[in-house]
Amino acid sequence: NAGVTQTPKFRILKIGQSMTLQCTQDMNHNYMYWYRQDPGMGLKLIYYSVGAGITDKGEVPNGYNVSRSTTEDFPLRLELAAPSQTSVYFCASTKVDRRNTEAFFGQGTRLTVV
Amino acid sequence: AQKITQTQPGMFVQEKEAVTLDCTYDTSDPSYGLFWYKQPSSGEMIFLIYQGSYDQQNATEGRYSLNFQKARKSANLVISASQLGDSAMYFCAMRINTNAGKSTFGDGTTLTVKP
Repeated sequence: NAGVTQTPKFRILKIGQSMTLQCTQDMNHNYMYWYRQDPGMGLKLIYYSVGAGITDKGEVPNGYNVSRSTTEDFPLRLELAAPSQTSVYFCASTKVDRRNTEAFFGQGTRLTVV
Repeated sequence: AQKITQTQPGMFVQEKEAVTLDCTYDTSDPSYGLFWYKQPSSGEMIFLIYQGSYDQQNATEGRYSLNFQKARKSANLVISASQLGDSAMYFCAMRINTNAGKSTFGDGTTLTVKP
């Protein structure tokens, strides 16, 4: 049972480079999220999706883009990497129907922009 | 807007004792869920316990219990019989039921269990 899988686990980018963080879940969850966690801080919501084809901004969306073409996949795109985007990125998913349920998290991607 | 406040950046507890981690929240929405997650030094996020805003009883999961005081907008986590493996960062989080995209985390409390 894979759960939420993120790749890569680590990445170093140069300023101005682009990359895509991959996230896949196999639990048929409708909601998916991308968070960033700066050192010693909590998680800040970047983008979320309520289902395939539907995405919306979170608290800190600038510098990022997302898409959700399938239920399973929710990639996060960084177009022009900046040092301020150095962080740990978490993807999460949850099933939302009549009741609230916990989110399942990927293992995280540690990104350094130099 | 939703907000989660965890006022204890760091806490220490003696092994086998109980500890309470504080969490206060702010929302105008009447229907929401409150969650606690544990993040060990390895970095993964581990779900601990959930409390719904309409739940009449406080949630319990093994050694974890949630002291939910709705009028005070607090959702404190109580860990009984602390173990060395409980040393970690703990996050309180809230999600609005009618818009599960509205997901907010506190800044966390680092718990250290002393032998």
